[in-house]
Amino acid sequence: GAVVSQHPSRVICKSGTSVKIECRSLDFQATTMFWYRQFPKQSLMLMATSNEGSKATYEQGVEKDKFLINHASLTLSTLTVTSAHPEDSSFYICSAPPGTGSYNEQFFGPGTRLTVL
Amino acid sequence: DAKTTQPPSMDCAEGRAANLPCNHSTISGNEYVYWYRQIHSQGPQYIIHGLKNNETNEMASLIITEDRKSSTLILPHATLRDTAVYYCIVRPYNQGGKLIFGQGTELSVKP
Repeated sequence: GAVVSQHPSRVICKSGTSVKIECRSLDFQATTMFWYRQFPKQSLMLMATSNEGSKATYEQGVEKDKFLINHASLTLSTLTVTSAHPEDSSFYICSAPPGTGSYNEQFFGPGTRLTVL
Repeated sequence: DAKTTQPPSMDCAEGRAANLPCNHSTISGNEYVYWYRQIHSQGPQYIIHGLKNNETNEMASLIITEDRKSSTLILPHATLRDTAVYYCIVRPYNQGGKLIFGQGTELSVKP
């Protein structure tokens, strides 16, 4: 199946710094990618839809100025957590459906664990 | 909000069939039922999806009731590696791709 990668897999940063997480579709093009956040023992929560060449669409309650999303190419979307604080510590996961028509399945990245000290 | 209801946890003996139920009583006519699973600390993995007919692939079978208000995912011969959280999701087939996850069922396969 198709592969989605994320980098880094794990990051620890100090409070107040910004952290960039990359999501890449390795063997297919993705005009749309999705970003999720998952706290311990909880389900995945959709944060935003990343659209290639246009602005991201954020879910209600997600601060767009804090979670900056850039989808500059058909294979790369980035999520930047700006001025990170301990409450932003979480598991961040991206996903991408292959193609623009069929949505049989989505491929998820392995996740990035962010710890803010 | 998620439109499905699943039991929070289930146990299954290794080698036996695991039957995971899902209630989606408010499903619309254009919505499909999708199943994903998430092994601890990994990204979710697609398992199977269906509209109204039963479906089978190399991983599992999906049984959807005639009124489409509930479904069951069947892992025919569960192994220890099938221990994971299983998510049942309903959404329109060709309307964007975002998935709204509920709480899922934590399946523990025991030796």
